[in-house]
Order: sequence, then C-alpha cells, then structure tokens
Amino acid sequence: NAGVTQTPKFQVLKTGQSMTLQCAQDMNHNSMYWYRQDPGMGLRLIYYSASEGTTDKGEVPNGYNVSRLNKREFSLRLESAAPSQTSVYFCASSESLRSSGNTIYFGEGSWLTVV
Amino acid sequence: LAKTTQPISMDSYEGQEVNITCSHNNIATNDYITWYQQFPSQGPRFIIQGYKTKVTNEVASLFIPADRKSSTLSLPRVSLSDTAVYYCLVGDRVDTGRRALTFGSGTRLQVQP
Repeated sequence: NAGVTQTPKFQVLKTGQSMTLQCAQDMNHNSMYWYRQDPGMGLRLIYYSASEGTTDKGEVPNGYNVSRLNKREFSLRLESAAPSQTSVYFCASSESLRSSGNTIYFGEGSWLTVV
Repeated sequence: LAKTTQPISMDSYEGQEVNITCSHNNIATNDYITWYQQFPSQGPRFIIQGYKTKVTNEVASLFIPADRKSSTLSLPRVSLSDTAVYYCLVGDRVDTGRRALTFGSGTRLQVQP
C-alpha cells in the first residue's frame, strides 16, 4: 500500500520555467491537498480539493494552478516559476475535509529550487 | 488565517514529560483537535485526535478543557527520537469561505540527552 505518492522528489527550475508536480493516492480518499513548507517554517495550504471535480484556493494560491484529474490524482502546476517558490511541496489526502475522525496522510515531499 | 497558536520551540531532556499547549479560540462546534508530528525531510504524521476531555493512546495524551479553546499534547518520558516539530490542527475558513485543514507554525521540540 503506497499511500500518497509524489513525483518528482527533487527538481531545479530556472526562473520563468513551468512544471507540474504529480500526486496520487491509493486510499480512495475524497479530499486532497497541496501544502508548501519553507525552510524552518510551518505548512501553508496552497490549494485543496474537497472531492473529485472540485478545487479551492487555500492560504497561498498565487502563482499556482491545480487539477483534480480523477479521484486518485491531484496535480500542482507552476506556470512561471519564481525564486520565491523555492520550497518543499507536500501533497496530502484525507477521507474528507471534516476534522472529526479524519487523518491527513502526507506524501514524502517534493524539493523544488528555482534559480 | 492561522487558527492556532503554539509556542515556537521547547527544550526537554530524555525521560521528562513534555506538555505542548495550543490555543484555538475560534474553534467551531464541529471541529476536532488533531496533533501531528514532523521529522526533518518527512511529511507530518498523525499522533492523536480528540474532541473534549482527555484522550490517550500508546504515544501521547491529549487534554482538552470544557471550553475547547485550547488543548495540551502530553508526551510522557520523551526520548531523543521525539525531537520533531509538533502541529496542532483544527478546521479553518480559507479565502473561499469554505473550511479546510490548515496547519500553524508548529512547536519545535528539542530533546537533549
């Protein structure tokens, strides 16, 4: 059981380049999330998807787009990368958005450097 | 938009009990309180969850007062391997007006020998 799988694990981009982070979960979860974590900081929610077919902005959505491709997959796209987007990106999933009885499962993270 | 407030860091020694308190003054009626642990270069993982009073599992205890405006994670007899960042999580209303699950800055626990 793989849980939440993210690719790539490491990526270096030049300013202005675009790229997509892929995420897939095999737990049949309805809700999926993308967080970013800057060095020494907490996690900030970029976008989330409550269920298949829906996506919503989180705390820091500027510069990103997402696609909930199907129930399993939730991708994050940087259209024109900027050095401020250098961070570790975590994809996560949970049964629903409710906090009750609900555990969020995280992927291993994707380390992105924009030069 | 952070709904929770925790101490930035705490220090302890092996074998001691550690209590980390989280403030969540605007917690909603339906919100549960969940704590996560994060080691360097890893994603957070679930520790414990509760709604009110006390919850205990094999890893920790969670104390929640009647007004639910705060909660305390208690780690009994910590070891070096408990050195990590601990996050308190409740529901949050994000820009769209919908509720999502957001993390605060967490508490960095350093356990010394």
